[in-house]
This record gives sequence, C-alpha cells and structure tokens, in this order.
Amino acid sequence: DAGVTQSPTHLIKTRGQQVTLRCSPKSGHDTVSWYQQALGQGPQFIFQYYEEEERQRGNFPDRFSGHQFPNYSSELNVNALLLGDSALYLCASRLGGQGANEAFFGQGTRLTVV
Amino acid sequence: QKEVEQNSGPLSVPEGAIASLNCTYSDRGSQSFFWYRQYSGKSPELIMSIYSNGDKEDGRFTAQLNKASQYVSLLIRDSQPSDSATYLCAVRPRGFQGAQKLVFGQGTRLTINP
Repeated sequence: DAGVTQSPTHLIKTRGQQVTLRCSPKSGHDTVSWYQQALGQGPQFIFQYYEEEERQRGNFPDRFSGHQFPNYSSELNVNALLLGDSALYLCASRLGGQGANEAFFGQGTRLTVV
Repeated sequence: QKEVEQNSGPLSVPEGAIASLNCTYSDRGSQSFFWYRQYSGKSPELIMSIYSNGDKEDGRFTAQLNKASQYVSLLIRDSQPSDSATYLCAVRPRGFQGAQKLVFGQGTRLTINP
C-alpha cells in the first residue's frame, strides 16, 4: 500500500521563477493538504483540496495556488519565487468529510530559492 | 497568543527514563489532537491521535488530553536513543464541515542520552 508520495524531493530555483510541486495521496484518501515548513518551525497550513476544489486556505498570498485532479493527486504552484519561499513543502492526505481522520505526510519537497 | 504552543527544548532525557512533552492550545472548540515525530531532514510521522479527555496508550507512548485546561501531553516510557527527534503537537481547530487544517506547535527537540 503506497503512502503519500511527493515529487521532486529537492529543487533549486532562482528568485522570480515559478515552481510546481506534485503529490499523490495515500491509497483510499481523497483529501490533500499542503504545508510549508521553514527550518526550525512547525508546518504552516497553505490550503486543502477536496473534490477538486480548494476548501480551506491558510494565510498565504495568491502566489501560492493549487489544483486537485480527478484521481485525487494534487499540485502546488508558487509564482514569483522569493528567497523566503525556501522551505520544506509537505503534502498530507486523509479520507475527507466529517470526522477525526488522521492525516499522513509525504516525504516532502525541499525547495531552495537562490 | 500562539494557537498551539510547545516548549522548543531541547529536552534531554537519559535512556530508559520517561520523556514528557507538553502542548497547550488556544481554540477551546478544538476536537482532534495529534503528535507527530520528525527526524532531522525527514517529514512528520504520525505517532498518536487523541480525541477525548483522558489517556490513550500505544506501546511505550501515552497521550493525555485535558480539554478544560486546553492541554495535551505525550509520555514516552523506557526512552530509547531512536526516540531522539523533534515532536510536533498538532490541533485541528473547530471549523466548517470537511475542514482539515492542522495547526502545529513549533516542536520540541528531544534528545535521549545513552
């Protein structure tokens, strides 16, 4: 049973460029969330996708956008990269709807902006 | 006041002793509480979830929840060097149906000394 998978694992981009990160949820999960984790900090919620729609959003600018596909996989896009966007980007999946379902994380994508 | 607060540590515990990790949260309506373990350079791994007041035990781990005091803790018995990691407390605040947002503390770095 495959867990949550993310690609790529590492990425180096230049300030001002655009980046796309990808996530495949754990088998049976239909809800995907994205988090940004700066060094020495806890993960910060970016947004959540369910049924191909953005359902909840954290305090991130519009430069951060996403998409969910019919197979539940998801992409995170960041435009006009800033040095401060350098972080570990985490995808988490769970079974959607009501309830206290647990969320599982992928291995993350380490983004470095230079 | 931060939504979820943890002592950042580092917390140093001798091998075989009990490690006690604490977390407080501000949203009194929160319903779901989680502990994640994160090794350096890796993604968070779910180790415990708790939803009702009291204790929940799983092997060497015990999670404790006190909603009246807005307090969550994690006890690790018979601590092993492999338990050395950062422990993240995560809370799912009250929200609309299907909301998945997790709010994390900054993490407590735990070191088990042989």
